[in-house]
Amino acid sequence: EAGVTQSPTHLIKTRGQQATLRCSPISGHTSVYWYQQALGLGLQFLLWYDEGEERNRGNFPPRFSGRQFPNYSSELNVNALELEDSALYLCASSLDRGHTISGEKLFFGSGTQLSVL
Amino acid sequence: AQKVTQAQTEISVVEKEDVTLDCVYETRDTTYYLFWYKQPPSGELVFLIRRNSFDEQNEISGRYSWNFQKSTSSFNFTITASQVVDSAVYFCALTPDNNNDMRFGAGTRLTVKP
Repeated sequence: EAGVTQSPTHLIKTRGQQATLRCSPISGHTSVYWYQQALGLGLQFLLWYDEGEERNRGNFPPRFSGRQFPNYSSELNVNALELEDSALYLCASSLDRGHTISGEKLFFGSGTQLSVL
Repeated sequence: AQKVTQAQTEISVVEKEDVTLDCVYETRDTTYYLFWYKQPPSGELVFLIRRNSFDEQNEISGRYSWNFQKSTSSFNFTITASQVVDSAVYFCALTPDNNNDMRFGAGTRLTVKP
């Protein structure tokens, strides 16, 4: 069974450009999560999508946005890139047993390394 | 608000030593879940354990053991007889009641030297 897949593996952009990162969850998983892992800062929660809707959002500016498609894959868009956006962006998926889900373990992809020059 | 603190940024040990990774958490919920994940150099986080707040039994899995103490809001992870392959970044995480909004600590980088 395929795990969580993310593309591209590496992405190099210049300041002010836009970046689009993609994630395909494990088959049968309906929830997708995005995390930013900047050097020395651990994992910072970005976004959580479930059944096509945004369920929660971390403390990031609006230029970080995303969506979830009907097949549960997801896209993270970062507009007006800044140097400090350089980080590893991790996507994770989990099963969803309803909107009051809690305690589900997350399955992670290998990430997209975004470098902003 | 949920918060997870891993005070140890980096730990270095020699193979076969025991090592404990600390995790302290804050939450107002009475029901919550705690996790440990391992991130090897490949980058993909690997699930190690999940504990709910009502289950304070300690758990042992091979060389790994976990000590959950609600009284001190801690969920520490011990590796016995460490091996070079244990070298990785280890993350402690928390999800609150009623949603799966998982929040991570800053991680502890463990280096096991031969």
